[in-house]
Amino acid sequence: KQEVTQIPAALSVPEGENLVLNCSFTDSAIYNLQWFRQDPGKGLTSLLLIQSSQREQTSGRLNASLDKSSGRSTLYIAASQPGDSATYLCAVRSSDDKIIFGKGTRLHILP
Amino acid sequence: GAVVSQHPSRVICKSGTSVKIECRSLDFQATTMFWYRQFPKQSLMLMATSNEGSKATYEQGVEKDKFLINHASLTLSTLTVTSAHPEDSSFYICSADPDVAEHYNEQFFGPGTRLTVL
Repeated sequence: KQEVTQIPAALSVPEGENLVLNCSFTDSAIYNLQWFRQDPGKGLTSLLLIQSSQREQTSGRLNASLDKSSGRSTLYIAASQPGDSATYLCAVRSSDDKIIFGKGTRLHILP
Repeated sequence: GAVVSQHPSRVICKSGTSVKIECRSLDFQATTMFWYRQFPKQSLMLMATSNEGSKATYEQGVEKDKFLINHASLTLSTLTVTSAHPEDSSFYICSADPDVAEHYNEQFFGPGTRLTVL
């Protein structure tokens, strides 16, 4: 059974710093991995999607990597801003077509 | 592109009533949509997979007679919470899987519906 873990559960960093969020999964047989952000009481916004054949994706200040063999993904945020404060979720789409979410990392950027 | 809407965004109802939530893909077709629920400070939990023209596939522990799903067209799926009770109060989110190669296997989420059952 696929399990997705995100570390840390919460993170506070000063504005301007670079940071890394971690996501690990137990079953490497995946179709893809997707990173989302969720603002309080809101739906999810897709940030980056990495197919199983890819190793990384970039969008603006965000870079996501995928190491399928070790069951790990990281989301790198460069030059953090207060507007980046949110909960970040990673989700893995397994070979049985199920999507399993991690519990998220609550990020707080200090002005 | 790839926008998903949900209606209503918020609903408050009395215990015992039924509530219907709509999920629409606005600018694409989606044979497959998904329904999730999220409790406060918890992650999303998949409830069911909705397939256009066929019965939904429910996850273990989700009562199909309690949570009725109808995927009547390629742009609309509905979730009806029947005889709602306070323990059904939650944040319900849908997502859609676009039927286009450009977004193959990529999920697009609606803004969510907050259900409060008194």
